[in-house]
Amino acid sequence: GQQVMQIPQYQHVQEGEDFTTYCNSSTTLSNIQWYKQRPGGHPVFLIQLVKSGEVKKQKRLTFQFGEAKKNSSLHITATQTTDVGTYFCAGWAIYNFNKFYFGSGTKLNVKP
Amino acid sequence: ETGVTQSPTHLIKTRGQQVTLRCSSQSGHNTVSWYQQALGQGPQFIFQYYREEENGRGNFPPRFSGLQFPNYSSELNVNALELDDSALYLCAGTFSGGTNEQYFGPGTRLTVT
Repeated sequence: GQQVMQIPQYQHVQEGEDFTTYCNSSTTLSNIQWYKQRPGGHPVFLIQLVKSGEVKKQKRLTFQFGEAKKNSSLHITATQTTDVGTYFCAGWAIYNFNKFYFGSGTKLNVKP
Repeated sequence: ETGVTQSPTHLIKTRGQQVTLRCSSQSGHNTVSWYQQALGQGPQFIFQYYREEENGRGNFPPRFSGLQFPNYSSELNVNALELDDSALYLCAGTFSGGTNEQYFGPGTRLTVT
């Protein structure tokens, strides 16, 4: 079954509203990566977090890696129409180094 | 762009046939990974190659196999195609000793009828 789940599956926001997607893994991860995939496109790397409890910011985006390294979140402040796409978390299982897991994704739609 | 190309862009095959998908990565991408992405779902890890050796594999049967070549190109081979193999197949290259950032190609859309 799916090892890494994300919620919500879909999110529709008005431009300027905030957005958060949550990523939960059934197994401890050695790191967490976040990707954005535009409709019809391929995943594009956003960031990697490695340390337990780590928080990183990229302009309006804030990424967090949980203390137990089993969950993560991506928060976007004041969404813009250019933020439209599907956001995926992904990572290597810490106890099974040869398996890499992508999350189920959160599809974000931003209304102007 | 990512510097990773894939061919062909689209492909239609019949159940039971075999298919080879190709990926050309950037110089320095010592690691290449292949993913299967069904419509509306996240990419599923098929396997990873590092310096021409498989060093990671997801939950895919042996009829999914791969090769990586010294010129940073790679192949994904699928035997005995099934209808459920219809998906977007993505390859991604990674520089060794870097941030583990994966550079994805545009994908090959495979349809099995």
